[in-house]
Amino acid sequence: DAMVIQNPRYQVTQFGKPVTLSCSQTLNHNVMYWYQQKSSQAPKLLFHYYDKDFNNEADTPDNFQSRRPNTSFCFLDIRSPGLGDTAMYLCATRRESSYNEQFFGPGTRLTVL
Amino acid sequence: AQSVTQLDSHVSVSEGTPVLLRCNYSSSYSPSLFWYVQHPNKGLQLLLKYTSAATLVKGINGFEAEFKKSETSFHLTKPSAHMSDAAEYFCVVSDRGSSGSARQLTFGSGTQLTVLP
Repeated sequence: DAMVIQNPRYQVTQFGKPVTLSCSQTLNHNVMYWYQQKSSQAPKLLFHYYDKDFNNEADTPDNFQSRRPNTSFCFLDIRSPGLGDTAMYLCATRRESSYNEQFFGPGTRLTVL
Repeated sequence: AQSVTQLDSHVSVSEGTPVLLRCNYSSSYSPSLFWYVQHPNKGLQLLLKYTSAATLVKGINGFEAEFKKSETSFHLTKPSAHMSDAAEYFCVVSDRGSSGSARQLTFGSGTQLTVLP
């Protein structure tokens, strides 16, 4: 089945220790998104790729970076995680068509100690 | 600009009784509207979507929603709740914008549905 895959599902890291979260998709969608979702809150968009074009949200901290080496893969790098970065991180994809919905992966739950 | 208001942060129903989760939206252009469900520690799953076709939309697991432009509402309903429906539900809007291209999603704050035995 075509899907969005996130690895790892759970990640624990120490304060200040860099961490990378991975997302891959078999849907061949050209748009990919990263969201941060804190406990009992709605997802918050961090950035998205339109093909290789990177689009950062204005309030996304510089500590968060992303790479998209090809259509299938997208990475979220947190250079120096703080305690406030503990959250669920969701990857989503969308086909470039006006009304198509976003398809979400299962998420990576990150805990910063 | 687009926005979404989910009128109830928590809804509690008994198993077998109807479910109503309320959502109002604001959009400058013709919107697409979605309901997503999120079970604990899981990603978001699409329940149903409205994209300017039929105003009554049927989704998975017996859920449906009606788009009412005059009331700017898109309430989610189910005739009979099941224990497995207990989850967080998000109402989401996306509109074309003046250029005609799809905008990003705007999420409501979510409604936690509890189903009592």
